[in-house]
Amino acid sequence: KNEVEQSPQNLTAQEGEFITINCSYSVGISALHWLQQHPGGGIVSLFMLSSGKKKHGRLIATINIQEKHSSLHITASHPRDSAVYICAVRGSQGNLIFGKGTKLSVKP
Amino acid sequence: ETGVTQSPTHLIKTRGQQVTLRCSSQSGHNTVSWYQQALGQGPQFIFQYYREEENGRGNFPPRFSGLQFPNYSSELNVNALELDDSALYLCASSLDPHANTEAFFGQGTRLTVV
Repeated sequence: KNEVEQSPQNLTAQEGEFITINCSYSVGISALHWLQQHPGGGIVSLFMLSSGKKKHGRLIATINIQEKHSSLHITASHPRDSAVYICAVRGSQGNLIFGKGTKLSVKP
Repeated sequence: ETGVTQSPTHLIKTRGQQVTLRCSSQSGHNTVSWYQQALGQGPQFIFQYYREEENGRGNFPPRFSGLQFPNYSSELNVNALELDDSALYLCASSLDPHANTEAFFGQGTRLTVV
């Protein structure tokens, strides 16, 4: 079993829809990261959180430490949100342990 | 723009050859981590350098090696390339390997081994 599990693996939405991507982890963590990867390959950090909720524009990230679960929400989705969204936690060596990612496609 | 640059962006090598990938970290970031991302998978941790010393390693064989330089640049070297080494290689720089600081990623080097 992977230490970081994401669902769904693939997600297709219509422009304007509310989107939720889920992440569960099995290890003790101090922080969880949500990242975005576009087809070119580069990864951009969206959020780093250790408790509660963070909001940036149309993106909202929440985490429940007791349940070892985090969600990334996108409100009023837009085709430019199409990307792979990856959840990651920090391992004991200081490295990031990644989920496999959720490929989001938003149709106009 | 993350301030982290990788070169080259694409590379084709033949099985058995050696390759060197380069990463220029953000100024002041003394930690660099390297990851391998196979198609359709999440990145896998190769190793991490902190102040020019390796201070963490994932499940990769010794033919994967690295260097970090005082000018915030680093290298990933892979010897005796195998077909399965074909992947996107990402470097990430940060301030401290264990503190909860943000990691900044480069655009990656896509390596194809034929």
